[in-house]
Amino acid sequence: GQQVMQIPQYQHVQEGEDFTTYCNSSTTLSNIQWYKQRPGGHPVFLIQLVKSGEVKKQKRLTFQFGEAKKNSSLHITATQTTDVGTYFCAGPGASGTYKYIFGTGTRLKVLA
Amino acid sequence: DADVTQTPRNRITKTGKRIMLECSQTKGHDRMYWYRQDPGLGLRLIYYSFDVKDINKGEISDGYSVSRQAQAKFSLSLESAIPNQTALYFCATSGSPEGADTQYFGPGTRLTVL
Repeated sequence: GQQVMQIPQYQHVQEGEDFTTYCNSSTTLSNIQWYKQRPGGHPVFLIQLVKSGEVKKQKRLTFQFGEAKKNSSLHITATQTTDVGTYFCAGPGASGTYKYIFGTGTRLKVLA
Repeated sequence: DADVTQTPRNRITKTGKRIMLECSQTKGHDRMYWYRQDPGLGLRLIYYSFDVKDINKGEISDGYSVSRQAQAKFSLSLESAIPNQTALYFCATSGSPEGADTQYFGPGTRLTVL
């Protein structure tokens, strides 16, 4: 079945260092979403990418959708302690829209 | 933001017991979802409903059942709980006007089956 994998599973960085998480789908995606879950919290929507090669920025966060629409990345510049949490990508299931398959997540820990 | 609420927030139960987790939303969304989260496995879809008369199985529906009592309410039941159903359970909704695909999650229910 369709799979969405993320690497790395865990990442510890010093505050101020950059961080990147990668998301890879076994199938071509019509779009990809990113969510953030703070420790003890629930996933919160960050962004959706739709176009091949699309790049979007939110302050220190840069999101990219691959040309083949099978992979995506989230890059955080100069991490801060507020960036701590687990980042998930999600893509539509093969059966259609509105049903999303979530990636395994990358847990980010920022050391002050 | 309490647009999506879940009850209970925490529950400890014993093997074989029937458990119901409830989800309510005030966002007016048609689509509702139940996920479970386990360390290292991300969020896995249990059941989803695109409207009151529509119920669909997700990736891991075995051992679970659901009821969509109204547009705003979607309940998840474990008919006979077993220890490997110990997990964090999230309800989510999506729909207009915010954006058809964006999912809004409840605070979660932490379930422990002894």
